Amino acid sequence: GGIITQTPKFLIGQEGQKLTLKCQQNFNHDTMYWYRQDSGKGLRLIYYSITENDLQKGDLSEGYDASREKKSSFSLTVTSAQKNEMAVFLCASRQGQNTLYFGAGTRLSVL
Amino acid sequence: QQKVQQSPESLTVSEGAMASLNCTFSDGTSDNFRWYRQHSGKGLEMLVSIFSDGEKEEGRFTAHLNRASLHVSLHIREPQPSDSAVYLCAVSMGSGYNKLTFGKGTVLLVSP
Repeated sequence: GGIITQTPKFLIGQEGQKLTLKCQQNFNHDTMYWYRQDSGKGLRLIYYSITENDLQKGDLSEGYDASREKKSSFSLTVTSAQKNEMAVFLCASRQGQNTLYFGAGTRLSVL
Repeated sequence: QQKVQQSPESLTVSEGAMASLNCTFSDGTSDNFRWYRQHSGKGLEMLVSIFSDGEKEEGRFTAHLNRASLHVSLHIREPQPSDSAVYLCAVSMGSGYNKLTFGKGTVLLVSP
């Protein structure tokens, strides 16, 4: 079996700070995703990538950048953290039309 | 735009009693439905996927789909305290996860 590793698990930032979240998968999956999960809301897609160096915007891409440096890794950057922002960022991957696997998440708090 | 609503927001059942969770969606052309579970502090775990009207069983988890009623449900047989988690419904057209729309979730508590 494989695993999706997200780092860091917890991230505390300052308002206006640029913050980077990382995701690694050893499934050898082609497609990777970043979702944002807010309390009381469903998951919302930020960015996804169907192959190395590919990048596609989701519904919530404004305020974020992403980079698929290699097949196994997909990073997400919050370009300017918003004060009092709190959310969980979930990375996921899949191969073809198969099941979507999720990481455990990065919990962001902005002071 | 697809809207996915889950009910109830929270549900408490006794260990061993059937737990039933509901999900309604707005786009009648949707044809891909999944139920996920998320334990506190963990990622999402897919429980069951269903693509045509009727039911689909995966162990103790059964999904029922009625696309005419825009409704998909999840039934958990003999729930255990370890089943206490947030249950998320996800709906899309085709197998495109890119267009996967999630509900806000139902918090299930199974009491011993």
